Amino acid sequence: SYELTQPPSVSVSPGQTARIICSGDALPKRYAFWYQQKSGQAPVLVIYEDNKRPSGIPERFSGSSLGTMATLTISGAQVEDEADYYCYSTDISGNHGGVFGGGTKLTVL
Amino acid sequence: QVQLVQSGAEVKKPGASVKVSCKASGYIFTNYYIHWVRQAPGQGLEWMGWINPNSGGTNSAQKFQGWVTMTRDTSIDTAYMELTRLKSDDTAVYYCARGIFAGAGSQDGFDIWGQGTMVTVSS
Repeated sequence: SYELTQPPSVSVSPGQTARIICSGDALPKRYAFWYQQKSGQAPVLVIYEDNKRPSGIPERFSGSSLGTMATLTISGAQVEDEADYYCYSTDISGNHGGVFGGGTKLTVL
Repeated sequence: QVQLVQSGAEVKKPGASVKVSCKASGYIFTNYYIHWVRQAPGQGLEWMGWINPNSGGTNSAQKFQGWVTMTRDTSIDTAYMELTRLKSDDTAVYYCARGIFAGAGSQDGFDIWGQGTMVTVSS
């Protein structure tokens, strides 16, 4: 079955740039979506279609995709950005189902 | 405003079934796919499947095929997810989430999430 791979954890100091990578064989042909989940809360969409930011999401959140890797970048990370981040995409084979990456715990301290 | 409101927490015994509802408001229900996602305690997000509320067509992750049933009632703008033959490792929070774009297909992501429904499977 299709898999998206993320690092388990990323750690930065406040004000630094955090980058979270998601790799998957179908990413050259499928969009990546990124979700932020804080403890005890439902996930929130922060990037859609590789690099678009929903209204209300701070400009410090950006996304890019090249080849089999998609990247979520948080420029000038804030303490309140500490959360779990998940990439999501869909397969190009089989039943074209969706899949999440395993999630990355971002620590800002 | 656009929102999805899910049914309340459930406690079930192994082997039983559970049906979670997801009521939509603030938009045209039949225009956007509804996805189902679950999260076991301390674990990551797991995509389960989607339903097209317009046609009733569904697609589910291979793991859940034959085991999950997604339906909808367009008269009350509500989607349902039923999971059968429950096991202890089905204990999780179950979320519904709305597709981002009206009329978009299965490759779309989702933006609006329900509040989640905790399902506990225990003897």
